[in-house]
Amino acid sequence: DAKTTQPNSMESNEEEPVHLPCNHSTISGTDYIHWYRQLPSQGPEYVIHGLTSNVNNRMASLAIAEDRKSSTLILHRATLRDAAVYYCILRVNNAGNMLTFGGGTRLMVKP
Amino acid sequence: NAGVMQNPRHLVRRRGQEARLRCSPMKGHSHVYWYRQLPEEGLKFMVYLQKENIIDESGMPKERFSAEFPKEGPSILRIQQVVRGDSAAYFCASHRDTRNTEAFFGQGTRLTVV
Repeated sequence: DAKTTQPNSMESNEEEPVHLPCNHSTISGTDYIHWYRQLPSQGPEYVIHGLTSNVNNRMASLAIAEDRKSSTLILHRATLRDAAVYYCILRVNNAGNMLTFGGGTRLMVKP
Repeated sequence: NAGVMQNPRHLVRRRGQEARLRCSPMKGHSHVYWYRQLPEEGLKFMVYLQKENIIDESGMPKERFSAEFPKEGPSILRIQQVVRGDSAAYFCASHRDTRNTEAFFGQGTRLTVV
């Protein structure tokens, strides 16, 4: 599986936007970019995914670089509830749905 | 829809005992995945099952671990003769199909081996 690289941790202030980067320089044409997050003592939760175009949903936005070698998850207004570990994962379409989790980015939100 | 249900939420076993972890996927989902998360580590894929079939068990330890997803009832992850190193959080996820859809995870079972 293609590998992703994320910063170990990031800090944000409450109600400010947060940009979580992910590098995936070995991404292939069939890899989708998925983001999940894991709140303390809970199971992972789907956030967003995309292939080439930027994506928006009620939780976040996903900005994908034109060459697809990197992407950024954008939380428009961080809340204390957004404090979690955020995982950027590449998945090949129709190749089974198992997810390969890396270390993720631990996001801390300060009030 | 109640979501993915895992039980028990917490399980304590003595070394050498058996642990049975159950997972009921979301309604209409026939693809189940089990993951293990050791303390302070990321999640690792263990096994992928469809109804009555094991599709991929490449992440499962060769001994003491088994999984099933019968035609009726929940998926079961079974660990025989547990050891302290099996202490971890075990998460189950379900998918509707094999396309690039979101995974729904349960709250996990936290196994402690004493």
